Amino acid sequence: AQSVTQLGSHVSVSEGALVLLRCNYSSSVPPYLFWYVQYPNQGLQLLLKYTSAATLVKGINGFEAEFKKSETSFHLTKPSAHMSDAAEYFCAVRWSGGSNYKLTFGKGTLLTVNP
Amino acid sequence: GAGVSQTPSNKVTEKGKYVELRCDPISGHTALYWYRQSLGQGPEFLIYFQGTGAADDSGLPNDRFFAVRPEGSVSTLKIQRTERGDSAVYLCASSFTGGALYEQYFGPGTRLTVT
Repeated sequence: AQSVTQLGSHVSVSEGALVLLRCNYSSSVPPYLFWYVQYPNQGLQLLLKYTSAATLVKGINGFEAEFKKSETSFHLTKPSAHMSDAAEYFCAVRWSGGSNYKLTFGKGTLLTVNP
Repeated sequence: GAGVSQTPSNKVTEKGKYVELRCDPISGHTALYWYRQSLGQGPEFLIYFQGTGAADDSGLPNDRFFAVRPEGSVSTLKIQRTERGDSAVYLCASSFTGGALYEQYFGPGTRLTVT
């Protein structure tokens, strides 16, 4: 079955440090890839998306992600963490084909930012 | 403009009771989705509406779950004979249409607790 894997359910960084959240997907056909952020008691907000254009995608709040087909990865990075980045982050995929309306999510990574 | 709204924000019910969860999508969005987010998991697809019809209900876990969208706008997710395992956050999303390139906008969710 097609799946999305986020390595690390919890990542802790210091303020100003690099943020790296990992996402891998299981498919030989590149899907559409997304990163969402969820703040406490709020809905999911789209950070960025890859739709087969540039492999390096820039999103909101200084985040970016790079699509690497050979590694089936779409890791999320931010050069310098801010306290306001503390939230849960979800990688999601829309597979190519007839069900491409459907999002498949990873289990999420909780990002903690320490002062 | 207004985003996706969901009511109630919290619902506590007793095992065996019937519940209805409501979703108001963004005006003009023809596609509507329901997802379920259990504790420690990413959201999981339940059902997709295009207009008034359920185009894909393959994610509904069993026949206790049913959803409607009679006028192609507001949707109601209905759960009969609730079980403790139904406790989760139920998320609704809408998009302009169902294609892969159209962003899904999420509501804040309804937290359902079955006691």
